[in-house]
Amino acid sequence: GESVGLHLPTLSVQEGDNSIINCAYSNSASDYFIWYKQESGKGPQFIIDIRSNMDKRQGQRVTVLLNKTVKHLSLQIAATQPGDSAVYFCAENIGGNYQLIWGAGTKLIIKP
Amino acid sequence: GAGVSQSPSNKVTEKGKDVELRCDPISGHTALYWYRQSLGQGLEFLIYFQGNSAPDKSGLPSDRFSAERTGGSVSTLTIQRTQQEDSAVYLCASSLTSGSGYEQYFGPGTRLTVT
Repeated sequence: GESVGLHLPTLSVQEGDNSIINCAYSNSASDYFIWYKQESGKGPQFIIDIRSNMDKRQGQRVTVLLNKTVKHLSLQIAATQPGDSAVYFCAENIGGNYQLIWGAGTKLIIKP
Repeated sequence: GAGVSQSPSNKVTEKGKDVELRCDPISGHTALYWYRQSLGQGLEFLIYFQGNSAPDKSGLPSDRFSAERTGGSVSTLTIQRTQQEDSAVYLCASSLTSGSGYEQYFGPGTRLTVT
């Protein structure tokens, strides 16, 4: 199987500040990208997605930025709250392929 | 509506025993995925079912692992002669169909501990 991830990188952010979580994706042919949030003891939960014909997409308190030139994806969370504490995964998909290629994950810690 | 459910939520078994893990996908979702997640790591793809097509088993780590999906709905992941390295959280996900743009909905997972 395809195994991803070493020990998780961690990002500590003060409550109320903005968080930026970065992800470098692997395949220049990928045309669809997703961010998932995984809280402790739960399965991953969809946050936001973006297609390769876009470079920015906004949701509620979250923004995803896509830079295809350097194969970089970022998730910005505005006014970070304690409930945002989780592990965040990026995933990429190549059109017509059912498999998602998962990033290693980043653990977001909120400091009070 | 109901999400993806998995059972049991926790399973402790002795090395060498067989275990069965169950996944109930969201009604109407034709695609079903099994993943494995070791502590502090990302998701490892195991197997994929889509409708009545032959499953993609390319992610199964050994022939001790097998999975079935009956009637296009419920799926069972079976691990025979469990080993300690099989200890992990096993996650199931379903989606309306497959390919780009189809969000995968995850269940809460089954935490398997092999002693």
